[in-house]
Amino acid sequence: AQSVAQPEDQVNVAEGNPLTVKCTYSVSGNPYLFWYVQYPNRGLQFLLKYITGDNLVKGSYGFEAEFNKSQTSFHLKKPSALVSDSALYFCAVRGAGYALNFGKGTSLLVTP
Amino acid sequence: EPEVTQTPSHQVTQMGQEVILRCVPISNHLYFYWYRQILGQKVEFLVSFYNNEISEKSEIFDDQFSVERPDGSNFTLKIRSTKLEDSAMYFCASTPAGPEEAFFGQGTRLTVV
Repeated sequence: AQSVAQPEDQVNVAEGNPLTVKCTYSVSGNPYLFWYVQYPNRGLQFLLKYITGDNLVKGSYGFEAEFNKSQTSFHLKKPSALVSDSALYFCAVRGAGYALNFGKGTSLLVTP
Repeated sequence: EPEVTQTPSHQVTQMGQEVILRCVPISNHLYFYWYRQILGQKVEFLVSFYNNEISEKSEIFDDQFSVERPDGSNFTLKIRSTKLEDSAMYFCASTPAGPEEAFFGQGTRLTVV
């Protein structure tokens, strides 16, 4: 079965510092990987995806993610964090059908 | 920008009652999904729908659940006899084609009392 793991429940970063939110995956075949963000009492917003191609994927709001096949990772990164980036971040992998299998989520807190 | 809309935003129902959650997917999308998120837990897939039939469903999607696309715009999730453990945020999503990113609605918070 296709699955992802997010090892950190919470990540704390000071504003202006780089941030990384970790995700590892377990799939059979080629992975289709996604990052979504959820603000309080809101739906999930798409940030970026990896299907094929360049290992560094650029997405919305200055976020990027690096696909690493040897480490089976797809970490989300941003060079300079903003307070407004504080939210819940979900990594997901497309299943055998088209459904998404989500990780448990990582809460990002950016402090001024 | 087109978006997925869900109604109601919050529904409270008594245990054993039937509820219908409604969604209007993005108009040119072909695949429709329901997910749920129990408070404090991860988002879980329930069911996907394509070409007027269920294409995939999870173990959660048992006989008490059903989905329907009653017209060209709405997509509904029915829970026949609600249980306390059905209390969750339910998200509708749609994609233009299968492998593309899913667009999610704002969710319906279902509270079963």
